[in-house]
Amino acid sequence: TQLLEQSPQFLSIQEGENLTVYCNSSSVFSSLQWYRQEPGEGPVLLVTVVTGGEVKKLKRLTFQFGDARKDSSLHITAAQPGDTGLYLCAGAPPSGNTGKLIFGQGTTLQVKP
Amino acid sequence: NAGVMQNPRHLVRRRGQEARLRCSPMKGHSHVYWYRQLPEEGLKFMVYLQKENIIDESGMPKERFSAEFPKEGPSILRIQQVVRGDSAAYFCASALLNTAGANVLTFGAGSRLTVL
Repeated sequence: TQLLEQSPQFLSIQEGENLTVYCNSSSVFSSLQWYRQEPGEGPVLLVTVVTGGEVKKLKRLTFQFGDARKDSSLHITAAQPGDTGLYLCAGAPPSGNTGKLIFGQGTTLQVKP
Repeated sequence: NAGVMQNPRHLVRRRGQEARLRCSPMKGHSHVYWYRQLPEEGLKFMVYLQKENIIDESGMPKERFSAEFPKEGPSILRIQQVVRGDSAAYFCASALLNTAGANVLTFGAGSRLTVL
C-alpha cells in the first residue's frame, strides 16, 4: 500500500517568516500534486510536478520533486496571512488509474499578522 | 464553464437512513472520481467511474456503498443504512482524460454528511 507522510501536520508562524512542508514516501509516484483547501471547500490544485528533481515556482511558493520521485517539498517565502489554509500533497501511481491519488494527511498552516 | 457541482452541500441523516450524493462533472469531462475525507484526515480514494461503467471501486467499502454514473445525469454516490462512522466530507472530482503521468483532477466543493 502506497503511503504519503506529510509533515508537519500543524504550523503556526508570523507573517514574513519562511516555511517548508514535506511529503515523503517509500514508493515511487508518476507525479506529485500539491493542493490547497479552504474550510468548507474542495482542494484546489496549486501545481503538478512530474520529473524527478523538478522545481516549480509559483510566486512565493517553490515546489520540488525528489530525484527518485518518492518525496516532495513546498517552500513558502515571506508567508502572508492569506497563505493560511490546509495544504495537501497527493501522489499519482506509476501506472494504471492515475486519478487514484494517494493523499498526505495535510498541513494546516496559520500565518499570524 | 461551471466547475464540478456537488449537491447537497450539507446532509443530515439519522442512523439507518439512506444518503444520496450527486455530482455533475465539468462540461466535457467523462471521468468521475469520489473521495472521502474523514475529520482530521486526508482524502481517500473511493471509486472511479466513466459513463455507465465502474472502472475502479477498490476504495469503496464492501457493503452499503454504491456509485453510478449514468449516460444522462449526474454521478450518484449512495450510502444505505448510514452509521455514525459515515459522517465525513465526500468530494467528487472530474477529469478530461485518464492519461498516464500528470492526471489533473478538478474537485467539487464537497458534500458534508452528518449522521446523528
